[in-house]
Amino acid sequence: DVKVTQSSRYLVKRTGEKVFLECVQDMDHENMFWYRQDPGLGLRLIYFSYDVKMKEKGDIPEGYSVSREKKERFSLILESASTNQTSMYLCASSFPYNEQFFGPGTRLTVL
Amino acid sequence: QKEVEQNSGPLSVPEGAIASLNCTYSDRGSQSFFWYRQYSGKSPELIMFIYSNGDKEDGRFTAQLNKASQYVSLLIRDSQPSDSATYLCAVNSGGYNKLIFGAGTRLAVHP
Repeated sequence: DVKVTQSSRYLVKRTGEKVFLECVQDMDHENMFWYRQDPGLGLRLIYFSYDVKMKEKGDIPEGYSVSREKKERFSLILESASTNQTSMYLCASSFPYNEQFFGPGTRLTVL
Repeated sequence: QKEVEQNSGPLSVPEGAIASLNCTYSDRGSQSFFWYRQYSGKSPELIMFIYSNGDKEDGRFTAQLNKASQYVSLLIRDSQPSDSATYLCAVNSGGYNKLIFGAGTRLAVHP
């Protein structure tokens, strides 16, 4: 079975803090993705990566950065957390042109 | 802006009935189409994918694709209360299988 894991299920941070969200997949997938999901807005793509050290901006990259130093690990970084970044963050991975598999999600609250 | 549209619902059906979920997309170049199910507080899980015009059946689920009309649907036969969830339609866009998600349709199956 494909397994995508995320470092935390719930996270509470303060405004201005630097936040790291980690995602690890065990299926040797080339592609990895970070989404945020908010009520009424659906899933929105923040960043994705199609190879180690390769990344591309998604639809809402502002305020975020990513790192992919190893194929199995994709990190999302909130440089200076703000209250409008309170959300559910979902990581996914896939082979090219195939279905994406999602991790369990991290519910982040920024106070 | 490439879009995927779904009726937000809720779609309410009695147990044992057929639930019909619909999705339209704007990018004529899309080649891959996915249906995900998401229970409240959980991450999306893949139900079906379809690449070719016509119907694809998997147990109680049937995906239907009409590329000329840019329309994809999901039928759930013999609906069960456990099918109550939000159903996300996703369409590939561009290379590397970047997906665009609809906002989802909430399905409620009542006994």
